[in-house]
Amino acid sequence: DQQVKQNSPSLSVQEGRISILNCDYTNSMFDYFLWYKKYPAEGPTFLISISSIKDKNEDGRFTVFLNKSAKHLSLHIVPSQPGDSAVYFCAAIESGGGADGLTFGKGTHLIIQP
Amino acid sequence: EAGVAQSPRYKIIEKRQSVAFWCNPISGHATLYWYQQILGQGPKLLIQFQNNGVVDDSQLPKDRFSAERLKGVDSTLKIQPAKLEDSAVYLCASRRDLNTIYFGEGSWLTVV
Repeated sequence: DQQVKQNSPSLSVQEGRISILNCDYTNSMFDYFLWYKKYPAEGPTFLISISSIKDKNEDGRFTVFLNKSAKHLSLHIVPSQPGDSAVYFCAAIESGGGADGLTFGKGTHLIIQP
Repeated sequence: EAGVAQSPRYKIIEKRQSVAFWCNPISGHATLYWYQQILGQGPKLLIQFQNNGVVDDSQLPKDRFSAERLKGVDSTLKIQPAKLEDSAVYLCASRRDLNTIYFGEGSWLTVV
C-alpha cells in the first residue's frame, strides 16, 4: 500500500511556463511534507517543505501548496527553466515519535522543453 | 559544510556474495538513515539511527541485511548473501532537523 502517490510518471512543460507537480497521501498522521529533486547518478536534493499547520510555503520560484482535507499537495515552479529538468519526489513524515523517516512517492520526471 | 559521504559509488557482485556500504554523515547530525531505491521507485527506508541507537528497522530484511553505527558517527550497511532483487541504489541521509535532511550521492549495487 503506497501512502504517498505521485500519479504522473512524467510531465513536459515549455520553458518559461508554470510546472505543477502533484502528490496525494493517504496517512492522515503525516504532518510534514518535503519535495526533493534528483538528477541522474546523484542523491536527492532538498527543495522545499511545508508543515501541516500551513497551506502554502514559498521559496523563490518554488511554491508548495497543501490541502489537508483533500490529502493533496502540489509543487509549483514559475518560471520553469531548463535546469529544472529532473525527477521530483514528494515525501512525507509522521513526526512526534522516534521513528520519523521519510515516506516517498515514486517520483515525477519533469522535462522542460526549450 | 561537507555533505554526506558514501562509498563505494558502484559495486557489481554475484548473487550469494556479500557487500558493505559506508556512510559518513554531516558533522553534528545525530539522525542517520539508510534508504534503498530500486529503479523506477521512490527511496524506501531501511533503517533509522539516532546517535548509535536504532530507532526504526521495521523494513530492513534482517535475514540478509545488517547495519551499525558505531560511536554515533559513521555507519555501515551490509548485505549477505545478496540476491538479484537487491540491485538498487543505497542512499544514506543525515538530519539536523525536519527541514535539513541531506542525502549522499548513493552507492549503486548490481547483483548478477
